[in-house]
Amino acid sequence: ETTLTQSPAFMSATPGDKVSISCKASQDIDDDVNWYQRKPGEAAIFLIQEATTLVPGIPPRFSGSGYGTDFTLTINNIESEDAAYYFCLQHDTLPWTFGQGTRVEIK
Amino acid sequence: EVQLVESGGGLVQPGGSLRLSCAASGFTFSSFWMHWVRQAPGKGLEWVANIKQEGSEKHYVDSVKGRFTISRDNAKNSLYLQMNSLRAEDTAMYFCARATSDGWYGLDYWGQGTLVTVSS
Repeated sequence: ETTLTQSPAFMSATPGDKVSISCKASQDIDDDVNWYQRKPGEAAIFLIQEATTLVPGIPPRFSGSGYGTDFTLTINNIESEDAAYYFCLQHDTLPWTFGQGTRVEIK
Repeated sequence: EVQLVESGGGLVQPGGSLRLSCAASGFTFSSFWMHWVRQAPGKGLEWVANIKQEGSEKHYVDSVKGRFTISRDNAKNSLYLQMNSLRAEDTAMYFCARATSDGWYGLDYWGQGTLVTVSS
């Protein structure tokens, strides 16, 4: 089973900041990582597929990078509406596994 | 618009059973793999099970094998999770999710979840 170690668990940002969230895999998973955003009471939203590809309709301030074992979600010029829970998913091998999640607060 | 709406959660005693449902709309349900994912309070997400388009192939996380059964009714655009021999550690919000069109590139749409609490 592939473990995804996501960090940080919590972060507080000011509008306009650049924010980075990390997911580290316990083994090489190529680019088989997706990123999601979830707000309380809402369905999760698909942000980034295959580590780096922005899902259509997602604002370009969101971006993803990485390959192999280290992956990063970056939010440039963060906005108040970006306050949410973010998590990564590896779909390289079953069982698919998730990072522990990051709660982002906007001051 | 793709919509996934879970139902069937509630309070159940240890050893009990519960059947979750997920009503799908806005897409051709029979063309997609479907998944269940859960999140225990204060914990990260855990993938639970998936099922192929026609239901011929299913996979489960080890912790639920032999206790949970995933199924679907394509005529009703519905996904199910039959949960038996429930344990306290099964307490979680349960989400249904749709796989990407190719089946193995992750999940593209999620429901809002239904809460299952296992407690005496």
